Amino acid sequence: DIVMTQSPDSLAVSLGERATINCKSSQSVLYSSNNKNHLAWYQQKPGQPPKLLIYWASTRASGVSDRFSGSGSGTDFTLTISSLQAEDVAVYYCQAYYGTPSVFGQGTKVEIK
Amino acid sequence: QITLKESGPTLVKPTQTLTLTCTFSGFSLSTSGVGVGWVRQPPGKALEWLAGIYWDDDKRYSPSLKSRLTITKDTSKNQVVLTMTNMDPVDTATYYCAHSVNGNSPISTYWGQGTLVTVSS
Repeated sequence: DIVMTQSPDSLAVSLGERATINCKSSQSVLYSSNNKNHLAWYQQKPGQPPKLLIYWASTRASGVSDRFSGSGSGTDFTLTISSLQAEDVAVYYCQAYYGTPSVFGQGTKVEIK
Repeated sequence: QITLKESGPTLVKPTQTLTLTCTFSGFSLSTSGVGVGWVRQPPGKALEWLAGIYWDDDKRYSPSLKSRLTITKDTSKNQVVLTMTNMDPVDTATYYCAHSVNGNSPISTYWGQGTLVTVSS
């Protein structure tokens, strides 16, 4: 099975500063069938279900702030929060989705410094 | 507006079978590319994908749990049911169901609030 590894496990960023989360997959999630990276990012706030932020590695989901952006290809991906706001405090997960199983990373906790 | 809600027991005993129901609205599980999946999250831990069922009745399971899981759908009732046999305390978790698109490479777009299941004697 594919393994998704996020780094760091946690980070503290000052309000208004940039937050960067990395996700590395044990095998490429770029599939030749559609030339797309099967990689999504989710945000989970305490006591809430996950919320889809990004899919196809860089496409923002409907209604998601443009502070959030995704990049990368193949095995290495990044989620960037351009200017951290208080409401962005959460755990962020990357997910590889291609057939079975769908696999999540271990999560990265983002806090305010 | 798409909504999903999980229901089922909050407490099960070890070795028992867990049955969870996901009742949804705002979409049809007959629509091409649409699916419903289950994801669980032990307290304080990461998300784990369990199973998915899709518009064409394709069913997929986590390989590590495949022998214990069964997923079914009732399109007329807008429900998806997940059963997990031989429950163990390590299966204590919040169980989420989620609407997905993109067929059996699912992008989970909308999620239920989750239901906490505790396994204890």
